[in-house]
Amino acid sequence: HVQLVETGGGVVQPGGSLRLSCAASGFTFRTSGMLWVRQAPGKGLEWVAFIRHDGREKFYVDSVRGRFTISRDNSNHTLYLQMNSLRAEDTALYYCAKDLPHYAMDVWGQGTTVIVSS
Amino acid sequence: QSALTQPPSASGSPGQSVTISCTGSSSDVGGYDYVSWYQQHPGKAPKLMIYDVSKRPSGVPDRFSGSKSGNTASLTVSGLQAEDEATYYCSSYASSNNWVFGGGTKLTVL
Repeated sequence: HVQLVETGGGVVQPGGSLRLSCAASGFTFRTSGMLWVRQAPGKGLEWVAFIRHDGREKFYVDSVRGRFTISRDNSNHTLYLQMNSLRAEDTALYYCAKDLPHYAMDVWGQGTTVIVSS
Repeated sequence: QSALTQPPSASGSPGQSVTISCTGSSSDVGGYDYVSWYQQHPGKAPKLMIYDVSKRPSGVPDRFSGSKSGNTASLTVSGLQAEDEATYYCSSYASSNNWVFGGGTKLTVL
């Protein structure tokens, strides 16, 4: 059964940090590109970050570059998102997703909620 | 990294066809055949419906079809069914290793 399970969300003050995790199962994680996508409350989807299957290339949306770091542990089938210097506008449901490839996301987790508030 | 433009809403009666547009630029939709479409029901994760402009993943009904002309991609849902009521998002690869989504279209089955 193909599955992605995100954890690590929570409430954090502005300027704080959180680390999200995404546990993968049911597919060959080490050969799959992975992404983080977020959805602010009542809003649309926004791509956040991408990491190549081997971790050698990473790309970010402008608004998080320099504050967020995507990484992966292929031996433990886990994707991460380290989020630093968090802002109120980072408040969202964060999904991890598998690259089909071809820049399409064919497997999604259920999401983990991040709330940045004082 | 500007978002793609979708109409906020669309509607149709059961059995009818509805087409949702997604307009970008030559840097995204018009420049690559990497347009995908996602269906999202309230409180649920998105589901891939179309990739590479017009390809359907296994398990997606052939009532869903995609196309592209210039900088505009389209999703057509034929033979509308009640369960098709959802929000649909388009997405495209964009130059300089970016992904962009549209703002979403809420499809109502009347």
